[in-house]
Amino acid sequence: KAGVTQTPRYLIKTRGQQVTLSCSPISGHRSVSWYQQTPGQGLQFLFEYFSETQRNKGNFPGRFSGRQFSNSRSEMNVSTLELGDSALYLCASSSTGKDTEAFFGQGTRLTVV
Amino acid sequence: AQRVTQPEKLLSVFKGAPVELKCNYSYSGSPELFWYVQYSRQRLQLLLRHISRESIKGFTADLNKGETSFHLKKPFAQEEDSAMYYCALSGGTGGFKTIFGAGTRLFVKA
Repeated sequence: KAGVTQTPRYLIKTRGQQVTLSCSPISGHRSVSWYQQTPGQGLQFLFEYFSETQRNKGNFPGRFSGRQFSNSRSEMNVSTLELGDSALYLCASSSTGKDTEAFFGQGTRLTVV
Repeated sequence: AQRVTQPEKLLSVFKGAPVELKCNYSYSGSPELFWYVQYSRQRLQLLLRHISRESIKGFTADLNKGETSFHLKKPFAQEEDSAMYYCALSGGTGGFKTIFGAGTRLFVKA
């Protein structure tokens, strides 16, 4: 079956702009999580959605938001971009969540200039 | 609070030598522990999880609740084991929240 797909793969934005990233989970998976990966901070949990509801949230400012649609596809939005938001954003899907394997996408590389 | 600590950023060993990647965690309940691996130019993928108690690619990991550790071990390292390894903890009520450690880069020298 198809893996987790993230679009776009690469993105360059200017400070102050906003951006929307998309994630299509594996068919049948209802849990989608988002992570920010940077060389200095590693993998940091942003939030998790399950059946269109945000179940968990990490310690990121309100500029980071997300949503999940009825087909389990998820989007992540970052408003008022800052240089420090430059990172690889990873999406992971799993069937139900807690004790099942998470399947990762290849990520969206966001560069803020 | 949930926390995962991987004390070594880089671990370099010779081919055929034993490998141990350390992982310590902080969690008040009963966590689920995982090891994920990222090979060069590949996506992050699950290596093993503690509930499975299985050996994958020769790697094993034992959950030690007393020491709150979940170290990854392999008796004889291979060059193809060179990768980034992340220890992860999943816990919490009301949903899924997996926390990752900072990662350890394993470099196996010929």
